[in-house]
Amino acid sequence: EVVMTQSPATLSVSPGERATLSCRASQSVSSSLAWYQHKPGQAPRLLIYGASTRVTGIPARFNGSGSGTEFSLTISSLQSEDFAVYYCQQYYNWPPWTFGQGTKVEIK
Amino acid sequence: EVQLVESGGGLAQPGGSLRLSCAASGLTLENYDMTWVRRAPGKGLEWVSYIGSGGTTVFYADSVKGRFTISRDNAKNSVYLQMNSLRAEDTAHYYCARVDYDILTGFSMFYFDLWGQGTLITVSS
Repeated sequence: EVVMTQSPATLSVSPGERATLSCRASQSVSSSLAWYQHKPGQAPRLLIYGASTRVTGIPARFNGSGSGTEFSLTISSLQSEDFAVYYCQQYYNWPPWTFGQGTKVEIK
Repeated sequence: EVQLVESGGGLAQPGGSLRLSCAASGLTLENYDMTWVRRAPGKGLEWVSYIGSGGTTVFYADSVKGRFTISRDNAKNSVYLQMNSLRAEDTAHYYCARVDYDILTGFSMFYFDLWGQGTLITVSS
């Protein structure tokens, strides 16, 4: 099983600032890495797949990068609607599909 | 509106059973693989089960294998999760999610591109 580790667990950021979230895989997952945003009471939303491909309709301030075992999600200028929990997920070696434990982006 | 809607959640006793449903509206699930994912209180997302578009290929997380059964009815545009021998640790919000596929090749992409809002399962005596 591929273990996904996200850091930090919580990120306190002011609106307009840049946020960088990290995700590490216990073994290479190539570029088979997705990022999801999850707000309380809402459906999780796919942001990025293929490590860096933004889903249609996702704002350009969301950028994914990395390959192999090290990945990051950067939100260039945080908007109020971006405060949420973010999960990375590998889909290279399955089953099981595995998620990181999440990074909560909160208002500073 | 394109959406997945889960139902069937509620309170169950340890050892009890529940059946979750995931109904699609505004879209056809027939060509898509589908999954269930859960989020326990204070924890992250955990993949639970997968079913291929044809209904014959299924996978389960070790934590639910032998207790949960995934199925689908493409005529009803729905996916189901039969949950037996429930345990306290099954308490979670359960989400159904669609597995994206490449329209040109017909191959599944294996990430989850559309999710429902979830249904809460509480297992407690």
